[in-house]
Amino acid sequence: KAGVTQTPRYLIKTRGQQVTLSCSPISGHRSVSWYQQTPGQGLQFLFEYFSETQRNKGNFPGRFSGRQFSNSRSEMNVSTLELGDSALYLCASSLLGVATNEKLFFGSGTQLSVL
Amino acid sequence: SQQGEEDPQALSIQEGENATMNCSYKTSINNLQWYRQNSGRGLVHLILIRSNEREKHSGRLRVTLDTSKKSSSLLITASRAADTASYFCATVWGGAGNMLTFGGGTRLMVKP
Repeated sequence: KAGVTQTPRYLIKTRGQQVTLSCSPISGHRSVSWYQQTPGQGLQFLFEYFSETQRNKGNFPGRFSGRQFSNSRSEMNVSTLELGDSALYLCASSLLGVATNEKLFFGSGTQLSVL
Repeated sequence: SQQGEEDPQALSIQEGENATMNCSYKTSINNLQWYRQNSGRGLVHLILIRSNEREKHSGRLRVTLDTSKKSSSLLITASRAADTASYFCATVWGGAGNMLTFGGGTRLMVKP
């Protein structure tokens, strides 16, 4: 069974640009959640999607958005990039979602650098 | 603010020694999970302990949970160089709409 796949692995952008990251969950998993990891703020929850609907959203500005497709693949988008958006972005998938407290399966992440 | 806090932030031990990491959280929980992260990679689930459990074992891992103190500990026995990684506790924080929140993590280095 293939694991969670995130693309691209590395990304370099400049301030003001926008970026789209992709996450393909484990087959059969309907929940995809996204996290931002930085040295200063640690791991922070961005949002969760389940069956194409956003379930929960963390404390991030509206520049951070996402969506989920009918095949459960998810994308997150960051518009008008700022230097502080440089981070490792992780996605995780599970069968039923974060609120059920089941274990999550994480991808290897996308390392975003904003110059 | 983060639901969980961990200590120590960093721990360096020799191979064969035991490593203990602690996690404290703020609100009531249904369960607590521990994850491991190798440098710059994704997280790997290690163990989940439910709020009505006090101790749980998985191989060389032993997790305890004290809901009265709102704290948990992860013990890795007979550590190996391959255990070098960061370890995070995680809880679902219902107060903010069911977000999974992580502690700050403990960076463990096991010297061969």
